[in-house]
Amino acid sequence: AQTVTQSQPEMSVQEAETVTLSCTYDTSESDYYLFWYKQPPSRQMILVIRQEAYKQQNATENRFSVNFQKAAKSFSLKISDSQLGDAAMYFCAYSAGTYKYIFGTGTRLKVLA
Amino acid sequence: GAGVSQSPSNKVTEKGKDVELRCDPISGHTALYWYRQRLGQGLEFLIYFQGNSAPDKSGLPSDRFSAERTGESVSTLTIQRTQQEDSAVYLCASSLGGGQGGTEAFFGQGTRLTVV
Repeated sequence: AQTVTQSQPEMSVQEAETVTLSCTYDTSESDYYLFWYKQPPSRQMILVIRQEAYKQQNATENRFSVNFQKAAKSFSLKISDSQLGDAAMYFCAYSAGTYKYIFGTGTRLKVLA
Repeated sequence: GAGVSQSPSNKVTEKGKDVELRCDPISGHTALYWYRQRLGQGLEFLIYFQGNSAPDKSGLPSDRFSAERTGESVSTLTIQRTQQEDSAVYLCASSLGGGQGGTEAFFGQGTRLTVV
């Protein structure tokens, strides 16, 4: 069965610094997708970044980038130049075909001024 | 509407009463999900609808919980004989599904349920 694990319940980062959130997953599929979602205090879930497993190139969206290690089944999120507005819960997620999304337990990110 | 709509946004109910939560997905989205999120916690999968397939109910915590979906439209999550431990935010999401596993899941703003 597919699983997604986020081992860091909480992380802190100084404003303008860089932070990396970890995510590992388990699957027997070869074609799948990985996501990072952000949930601010407003509780509205927002897609941050998406990675297709068949692409070797790491996805990047402005200050957000991933380090996708397919063999290691690792998918970490790097946030550069952290801003106060980045403070939120971050969820890693997996999806393949018609299978349902699998979410990790989340990492709460605090940004210190 | 443009996004996933959930109603009510907040619901306070007395222990033992039944509640019904509603989710209007984005038009054309065949996949629909319900999640429960306790305060400060992660997303707990409840149920997944994909087109005309039998729903995946593996996450429903007890037989007090049930959900229905009419075609590819509205879904309702019903909790019977509510208990205090049912207090949580209930999130609904929809996606294109249909084998397009890479499509984004769009979330509603959730229903905050408080059982007193």
